[in-house]
Amino acid sequence: NFMLTQPHSVSESPGKTVTISCTRSSGSIATNYVQWYQQRPGSSPTIVIYEDRQRPSGVPDRFSGSIDTSSNAASLTISGLKTEDEAEYYCQSYGSNKWMFGGGTKLTVL
Amino acid sequence: QVQLVESGGGVVQPGRSLRLSCAASGFTFSNYGMHWVRQAPGKGLEWVAVIWSDGNNEYYADSVNGRFTITRDNSKNMLYLQMNSLRAEDTAVYYCAKWQYTTSSAFGYWGQGTLVTVSS
Repeated sequence: NFMLTQPHSVSESPGKTVTISCTRSSGSIATNYVQWYQQRPGSSPTIVIYEDRQRPSGVPDRFSGSIDTSSNAASLTISGLKTEDEAEYYCQSYGSNKWMFGGGTKLTVL
Repeated sequence: QVQLVESGGGVVQPGRSLRLSCAASGFTFSNYGMHWVRQAPGKGLEWVAVIWSDGNNEYYADSVNGRFTITRDNSKNMLYLQMNSLRAEDTAVYYCAKWQYTTSSAFGYWGQGTLVTVSS
């Protein structure tokens, strides 16, 4: 099995841009798609990026996803930060009939 | 609109069993695979189990393999999780989640969750 490692927390000011990384421990990051989920306090998660870089309808284009095979990592970038973006963010991928989540990154917008 | 409503959570003693249900509506349930995901208090998300749309394939996390069973009834638009030999570490909010698309196993929509507490 592989692991997905995320930073525990990041913080940035409103209007700025933040990037959250997600590093895969084994196997190529490009082999299986990466998804990103947002979970606001007290709420269920919602998907914000699927298939590495696709945005579901209703997700603002301030959210973007990418992968970097050289670092074997995926990234979620949120531009024009708003206070409503403050939440926990989880990356997720798949391998060998296991669906794995990263440990989550708490984004603080202050 | 898509609705997923979990039920069946509660307080249960270690070693006992519990069955969770997830009622689906707003989409053609029989066309989509489904997942169970759990979240221990104050912790991150942990995938538990998946079942294909026709029920012919299912996979489990190592932590529950052999103790939990995922099933579905497409005639009733219902998803289930039978949990046996429960342990304290199974205490969590359990979510059911619908595949993003019929061919994409991403977690496209989540229910509100049901809390399972394993305690004597």
